[in-house]
Amino acid sequence: QKEVEQDPGPLSVPEGAIVSLNCTYSNSAFQYFMWYRQYSRKGPELLMYTYSSGNKEDGRFTAQVDKSSKYISLFIRDSQPSDSATYLCAMRGASGNTPLVFGKGTRLSVIA
Amino acid sequence: GAGVSQSPSNKVTEKGKDVELRCDPISGHTALYWYRQRLGQGLEFLIYFQGNSAPDKSGLPSDRFSAERTGESVSTLTIQRTQQEDSAVYLCASSLRGADTQYFGPGTRLTVL
Repeated sequence: QKEVEQDPGPLSVPEGAIVSLNCTYSNSAFQYFMWYRQYSRKGPELLMYTYSSGNKEDGRFTAQVDKSSKYISLFIRDSQPSDSATYLCAMRGASGNTPLVFGKGTRLSVIA
Repeated sequence: GAGVSQSPSNKVTEKGKDVELRCDPISGHTALYWYRQRLGQGLEFLIYFQGNSAPDKSGLPSDRFSAERTGESVSTLTIQRTQQEDSAVYLCASSLRGADTQYFGPGTRLTVL
């Protein structure tokens, strides 16, 4: 079993839909959870950063972490064609010197 | 300000040749990371530099891979005797300190024929 599992999609939704992206993980030591967005032929850019369990909202984006279930989610409300990209979850332990562990990424297309 | 830059953006090489990939981190960032992204896969950690500490090389897949960083500046990732399975996008990221947000460069797309 890989440390981080993420459904690669592809996921296609109409403009305005609510999108739900998810990752599960096996390492209970993970404390910091991130979502990155990667446009084609670009490097990943950080979207959301959360610590431990709970919700965090930023505009149309909401990140949820459920440590008891080892499950994290990213919700995108009122999705736009410009949201079309690959979304990667990433996580790491408490120590700042541990590298990020990434999911495979979910490819999202928002159709106008 | 300038972000992380990488060069070349694309590299095509023949099996068995050596390649060098370059990363220029954001000025002042003490931490630098190299990742590999194979087609349809997530990012795979390769190596991590933090200031003047010994690098964390735990992700390097074989002894054909090595990386150097001089101080808190440029880093080069070298792949010797390239193999077809080395074909991937090699991404570099830097952060102010080890625990901070990582900012990624655009990557170098390596194709080994």
